[in-house]
Order: sequence, then structure tokens, then C-alpha cells
Amino acid sequence: EPEVTQTPSHQVTQMGQEVILRCVPISNHLYFYWYRQILGQKVEFLVSFYNNEISEKSEIFDDQFSVERPDGSNFTLKIRSTKLEDSAMYFCASRAQGAGEAFFGQGTRLTVV
Amino acid sequence: GENVEQHPSTLSVQEGDSAVIKCTYSDSASNYFPWYKQELGKGPQLIIDIRSNVGEKKDQRIAVTLNKTAKHFSLHITETQPEDSAVYFCAAFLSGSARQLTFGSGTQLTVLP
Repeated sequence: EPEVTQTPSHQVTQMGQEVILRCVPISNHLYFYWYRQILGQKVEFLVSFYNNEISEKSEIFDDQFSVERPDGSNFTLKIRSTKLEDSAMYFCASRAQGAGEAFFGQGTRLTVV
Repeated sequence: GENVEQHPSTLSVQEGDSAVIKCTYSDSASNYFPWYKQELGKGPQLIIDIRSNVGEKKDQRIAVTLNKTAKHFSLHITETQPEDSAVYFCAAFLSGSARQLTFGSGTQLTVLP
């Protein structure tokens, strides 16, 4: 069964460092998303991406965040200068054209120290 | 934008009993309502969904009901088992758009053996 894969599963980084979280969406999907979940809290939307551009972003997705689809398979989230409060699980999701079902990856646990 | 309220935040039931989780949404244009199950350390997994042209959908021990007029939808789990213990999230979405899923705050379900 096709699945969304994310790497790494766990990333520890120093405050102020840049991190790149990687995702490989399901191959025929066209909509891509990043969500984050602070421990014990709800899943929060960060950004959606369609047709090689950001289609929607939340207030969380400020200038330190960027997304990229550098090739036909990867979808990345970059955090330029990490802060302690960026520590969370980051989930990538993808969705096919017209369908409602979004499939989530297993997440990357980001710990900023 | 869309706002999804979910309750209860925690729910404990005896094995074999039923569990009901309720959500309300604010945007009457939303037309797709998935439910996700999240086990510890994992990403959300879609367990059942319902579209706005349907009032009820059932899949074995899991059912979802939708009241479009009241903008309510509910998850029903019958004959609960210990492996049903997890966090359950409802979400609302405008299918066919690039919009993101809006999640409820989650319900920690514990099934006591």
C-alpha cells in the first residue's frame, strides 16, 4: 500500500540552526501539506502546496519557514533559525486530485535544544 | 476560516462498551469529514470518513454520523477493545479545493480491560 514517508524520524538541533525535514508523498498525489503537533496538543496546519506553489499557510508559518519540492518526489520543510518552541512532531501529508482523503507520514520529531 | 470543536477531551470506557466522540464545525461549505486515530509516536491514520451527501456511514465496529443542519458529526465505536485506545481526531475539509484539513483538539480514548 502506498504511503507517505518522512525522514529523519527524529532530529535534534541546536537553537538557531537550520533544519530540513524531508517527505516523499504518495506518487500520484498533487496536494502536499505540513502540519505540526506540539506534545499533547492538536495537529496544527502549517502550509499547503499545490502546483509548485504555496496555496495556503497559517500564521505559524512565518518567514523562518519555507517549503520546496526540489524534484518530482521530495517535499521539504526548512526551518531557517530554529527556536525552542519549534520543538514538535512535524507531519507531512498528501492528497490526490479531487479526493478528500489525506494520508499522513509517521512524522519527524524535532527537538530544539 | 473553519473551526472544529471536539469533545470530550478524554474518555474512558470498559472493554465491550461503546464510545462516542462529538465534533462541531463552523464553515457550512465544508463537505468532507474524516476521523483519524493516532497511536503514541505515530502519525494520524484515517479510520473512517463521511461526505456531506451522506448522513451515516459504518465500517464494522466504527460508524460516523453527520448532521449538516446542526453542523455536528460524531464517531461511534461499538464493542470497544483495548487496541482502540488512542487519540482520535476529527477534521473538516472542503473537498476539491487546495484548502487544508482543520482538526479538532483530539480525544484520548482509554479502553479499560
